Amino acid sequence: EPEVTQTPSHQVTQMGQEVILRCVPISNHLYFYWYRQILGQKVEFLVSFYNNEISEKSEIFDDQFSVERPDGSNFTLKIRSTKLEDSAMYFCASSEGGRDQPQHFGDGTRLSIL
Amino acid sequence: GESVGLHLPTLSVQEGDNSIINCAYSNSASDYFIWYKQESGKGPQFIIDIRSNMDKRQGQRVTVLLNKTVKHLSLQIAATQPGDSAVYFCAEMGGGYNKLIFGAGTRLAVHP
Repeated sequence: EPEVTQTPSHQVTQMGQEVILRCVPISNHLYFYWYRQILGQKVEFLVSFYNNEISEKSEIFDDQFSVERPDGSNFTLKIRSTKLEDSAMYFCASSEGGRDQPQHFGDGTRLSIL
Repeated sequence: GESVGLHLPTLSVQEGDNSIINCAYSNSASDYFIWYKQESGKGPQFIIDIRSNMDKRQGQRVTVLLNKTVKHLSLQIAATQPGDSAVYFCAEMGGGYNKLIFGAGTRLAVHP
Protein backbone atom coordinates (compact mmCIF):
# COMPACT_ATOMS: atom_id res chain seq x y z
CA GLU A 1 0.00 0.00 0.00
CA PRO A 2 1.46 3.40 -0.94
CA GLU A 3 2.59 5.51 1.99
CA VAL A 4 3.99 8.89 2.90
CA THR A 5 7.65 8.70 3.90
CA GLN A 6 9.53 11.24 5.99
CA THR A 7 13.22 11.76 6.65
CA PRO A 8 15.00 11.97 8.96
CA SER A 9 13.10 10.20 11.73
CA HIS A 10 14.94 12.29 14.32
CA GLN A 11 16.73 15.61 13.86
CA VAL A 12 18.76 17.31 16.57
CA THR A 13 19.69 20.93 15.86
CA GLN A 14 21.24 23.81 17.74
CA MET A 15 18.99 26.77 18.43
CA GLY A 16 19.33 29.39 15.72
CA GLN A 17 20.25 26.88 13.01
CA GLU A 18 18.18 26.12 9.95
CA VAL A 19 16.59 22.72 9.48
CA ILE A 20 14.92 21.06 6.50
CA LEU A 21 12.44 18.25 6.99
CA ARG A 22 11.74 16.06 4.01
CA CYS A 23 8.69 14.18 2.83
CA VAL A 24 7.77 12.03 -0.13
CA PRO A 25 3.97 12.14 -0.49
CA ILE A 26 1.91 9.39 -2.11
CA SER A 27 2.64 9.58 -5.82
CA ASN A 28 -0.81 10.38 -7.26
CA HIS A 29 -1.73 12.84 -4.53
CA LEU A 30 -2.05 16.52 -5.34
CA TYR A 31 -2.43 18.15 -1.91
CA PHE A 32 0.31 18.23 0.69
CA TYR A 33 0.32 19.26 4.31
CA TRP A 34 2.52 19.75 7.34
CA TYR A 35 1.27 19.32 10.89
CA ARG A 36 3.12 19.31 14.17
CA GLN A 37 2.56 17.82 17.59
CA ILE A 38 4.30 19.22 20.63
CA LEU A 39 4.72 16.54 23.29
CA GLY A 40 1.53 16.20 25.28
CA GLN A 41 -0.52 18.40 22.96
CA LYS A 42 -2.86 18.03 20.01
CA VAL A 43 -1.81 17.61 16.40
CA GLU A 44 -1.84 21.13 14.90
CA PHE A 45 -2.16 22.20 11.28
CA LEU A 46 0.71 24.24 9.87
CA VAL A 47 0.25 24.57 6.12
CA SER A 48 -1.35 23.09 3.02
CA PHE A 49 0.14 23.20 -0.46
CA TYR A 50 -1.43 22.67 -3.87
CA ASN A 51 -0.37 23.45 -7.41
CA ASN A 52 3.00 24.73 -6.24
CA GLU A 53 1.67 27.27 -3.84
CA ILE A 54 0.47 27.56 -0.28
CA SER A 55 -3.33 27.26 -0.11
CA GLU A 56 -3.76 27.70 3.66
CA LYS A 57 -1.52 28.35 6.61
CA SER A 58 -2.03 28.67 10.34
CA GLU A 59 -0.85 31.38 12.70
CA ILE A 60 2.02 29.10 13.69
CA PHE A 61 3.37 29.18 10.13
CA ASP A 62 5.12 32.53 10.30
CA ASP A 63 8.04 33.93 8.31
CA GLN A 64 10.36 31.45 10.00
CA PHE A 65 8.74 28.62 8.04
CA SER A 66 8.67 27.85 4.34
CA VAL A 67 7.64 24.91 2.17
CA GLU A 68 8.80 23.80 -1.20
CA ARG A 69 8.23 21.08 -3.74
CA PRO A 70 11.66 21.11 -5.35
CA ASP A 71 10.94 18.24 -7.75
CA GLY A 72 8.15 15.89 -8.68
CA SER A 73 8.40 13.75 -5.58
CA ASN A 74 9.70 15.67 -2.55
CA PHE A 75 7.92 18.14 -0.30
CA THR A 76 10.03 19.98 2.26
CA LEU A 77 9.49 22.11 5.35
CA LYS A 78 12.27 24.56 6.18
CA ILE A 79 12.54 26.24 9.55
CA ARG A 80 14.96 29.15 9.66
CA SER A 81 16.64 30.20 12.90
CA THR A 82 15.07 27.47 15.02
CA LYS A 83 13.83 28.20 18.53
CA LEU A 84 13.51 25.91 21.53
CA GLU A 85 9.73 25.94 21.16
CA ASP A 86 10.02 24.45 17.67
CA SER A 87 10.81 21.11 19.29
CA ALA A 88 7.98 18.77 18.27
CA MET A 89 6.98 15.90 16.01
CA TYR A 90 6.42 17.15 12.48
CA PHE A 91 4.06 15.15 10.30
CA CYS A 92 3.70 15.36 6.56
CA ALA A 93 0.42 14.30 4.97
CA SER A 94 -1.01 14.10 1.48
CA SER A 95 -4.41 13.64 -0.14
CA GLU A 96 -5.78 13.06 -3.64
CA GLY A 97 -8.15 15.99 -3.43
CA GLY A 98 -8.55 18.89 -1.02
CA ARG A 99 -12.00 19.02 0.46
CA ASP A 100 -13.58 15.90 1.91
CA GLN A 101 -10.64 13.66 1.14
CA PRO A 102 -8.73 11.60 3.68
CA GLN A 103 -5.25 12.86 4.47
CA HIS A 104 -2.62 10.16 4.84
CA PHE A 105 0.23 10.78 7.24
CA GLY A 106 3.85 9.82 7.43
CA ASP A 107 5.48 8.58 10.63
CA GLY A 108 6.92 11.98 11.41
CA THR A 109 10.24 13.62 12.15
CA ARG A 110 11.08 14.27 15.77
CA LEU A 111 12.79 17.67 15.90
CA SER A 112 14.81 18.44 19.01
CA ILE A 113 16.22 21.93 19.40
CA LEU A 114 19.08 22.28 21.89
CA GLY B 1 5.22 9.67 16.11
CA GLU B 2 4.27 9.99 19.70
CA SER B 3 0.84 11.12 20.55
CA VAL B 4 1.56 10.91 24.21
CA GLY B 5 -0.65 13.11 26.23
CA LEU B 6 0.07 13.12 29.93
CA HIS B 7 -3.63 13.53 30.60
CA LEU B 8 -5.21 11.55 27.77
CA PRO B 9 -8.48 9.88 28.72
CA THR B 10 -8.11 6.11 28.65
CA LEU B 11 -10.62 3.47 27.72
CA SER B 12 -9.77 0.01 29.02
CA VAL B 13 -11.57 -2.97 27.50
CA GLN B 14 -11.29 -6.73 27.50
CA GLU B 15 -10.24 -8.47 24.34
CA GLY B 16 -13.31 -9.48 22.38
CA ASP B 17 -15.52 -6.73 23.80
CA ASN B 18 -16.84 -3.85 21.73
CA SER B 19 -15.25 -0.42 22.25
CA ILE B 20 -16.87 2.98 21.85
CA ILE B 21 -14.68 6.07 21.64
CA ASN B 22 -16.39 9.45 21.74
CA CYS B 23 -15.47 12.86 20.41
CA ALA B 24 -17.11 16.26 20.70
CA TYR B 25 -16.18 18.49 17.80
CA SER B 26 -16.01 22.23 17.97
CA ASN B 27 -17.16 23.82 14.72
CA SER B 28 -20.78 23.59 13.59
CA ALA B 29 -19.57 24.40 10.05
CA SER B 30 -17.46 21.23 9.94
CA ASP B 31 -18.78 18.83 7.32
CA TYR B 32 -16.17 16.10 7.04
CA PHE B 33 -14.76 13.96 9.82
CA ILE B 34 -12.03 11.37 10.10
CA TRP B 35 -10.95 8.91 12.77
CA TYR B 36 -7.25 8.21 13.05
CA LYS B 37 -5.34 5.59 15.03
CA GLN B 38 -1.86 6.37 16.28
CA GLU B 39 0.44 3.67 17.56
CA SER B 40 3.63 4.42 19.44
CA GLY B 41 6.35 5.66 17.11
CA LYS B 42 4.05 6.05 14.13
CA GLY B 43 2.00 8.74 12.47
CA PRO B 44 -1.80 8.98 12.48
CA GLN B 45 -3.28 6.13 10.47
CA PHE B 46 -6.58 6.67 8.63
CA ILE B 47 -9.38 4.42 9.89
CA ILE B 48 -12.67 5.73 8.55
CA ASP B 49 -14.29 8.96 7.45
CA ILE B 50 -17.82 10.34 7.25
CA ARG B 51 -19.41 13.33 5.54
CA SER B 52 -22.05 15.45 7.20
CA ASN B 53 -24.81 14.21 4.88
CA MET B 54 -24.55 10.83 6.63
CA ASP B 55 -25.09 9.81 10.23
CA LYS B 56 -23.52 6.37 10.10
CA ARG B 57 -20.82 4.66 8.14
CA GLN B 58 -19.41 1.18 8.52
CA GLY B 59 -16.05 -0.30 7.72
CA GLN B 60 -14.36 -3.51 8.62
CA ARG B 61 -15.05 -3.98 12.37
CA VAL B 62 -15.50 -0.21 12.76
CA THR B 63 -18.54 2.04 12.67
CA VAL B 64 -18.60 5.82 12.88
CA LEU B 65 -21.70 7.64 14.10
CA LEU B 66 -22.27 11.35 13.60
CA ASN B 67 -24.76 13.45 15.53
CA LYS B 68 -24.66 16.95 14.12
CA THR B 69 -27.30 18.24 16.50
CA VAL B 70 -24.99 17.87 19.48
CA LYS B 71 -21.73 17.96 17.52
CA HIS B 72 -20.75 14.46 18.56
CA LEU B 73 -18.83 11.74 16.80
CA SER B 74 -18.20 8.19 17.95
CA LEU B 75 -16.09 5.29 16.80
CA GLN B 76 -17.26 1.79 17.55
CA ILE B 77 -14.80 -1.08 17.28
CA ALA B 78 -16.29 -4.57 17.27
CA ALA B 79 -14.53 -7.52 18.90
CA THR B 80 -11.60 -5.42 20.08
CA GLN B 81 -8.20 -7.04 19.68
CA PRO B 82 -4.83 -6.35 21.36
CA GLY B 83 -3.65 -4.82 18.08
CA ASP B 84 -6.31 -2.14 18.48
CA SER B 85 -4.42 -0.67 21.46
CA ALA B 86 -3.42 2.84 20.42
CA VAL B 87 -4.42 6.47 20.73
CA TYR B 88 -7.47 7.39 18.66
CA PHE B 89 -8.09 10.90 17.32
CA CYS B 90 -11.10 12.43 15.70
CA ALA B 91 -10.44 15.20 13.21
CA GLU B 92 -12.82 17.67 11.59
CA MET B 93 -12.73 19.73 8.42
CA GLY B 94 -15.04 22.45 7.23
CA GLY B 95 -15.77 26.08 6.68
CA GLY B 96 -14.38 25.93 3.16
CA TYR B 97 -10.93 24.90 4.32
CA ASN B 98 -9.08 21.63 3.87
CA LYS B 99 -7.09 21.71 7.06
CA LEU B 100 -7.87 19.11 9.70
CA ILE B 101 -8.56 20.13 13.28
CA PHE B 102 -7.67 17.32 15.65
CA GLY B 103 -9.21 16.40 18.96
CA ALA B 104 -7.11 15.63 22.00
CA GLY B 105 -7.23 11.84 21.58
CA THR B 106 -8.32 8.83 23.62
CA ARG B 107 -6.02 6.02 24.59
CA LEU B 108 -7.53 2.55 24.07
CA ALA B 109 -6.01 -0.22 26.19
CA VAL B 110 -7.07 -3.76 25.32
CA HIS B 111 -6.48 -6.40 27.98
CA PRO B 112 -6.35 -10.14 27.25
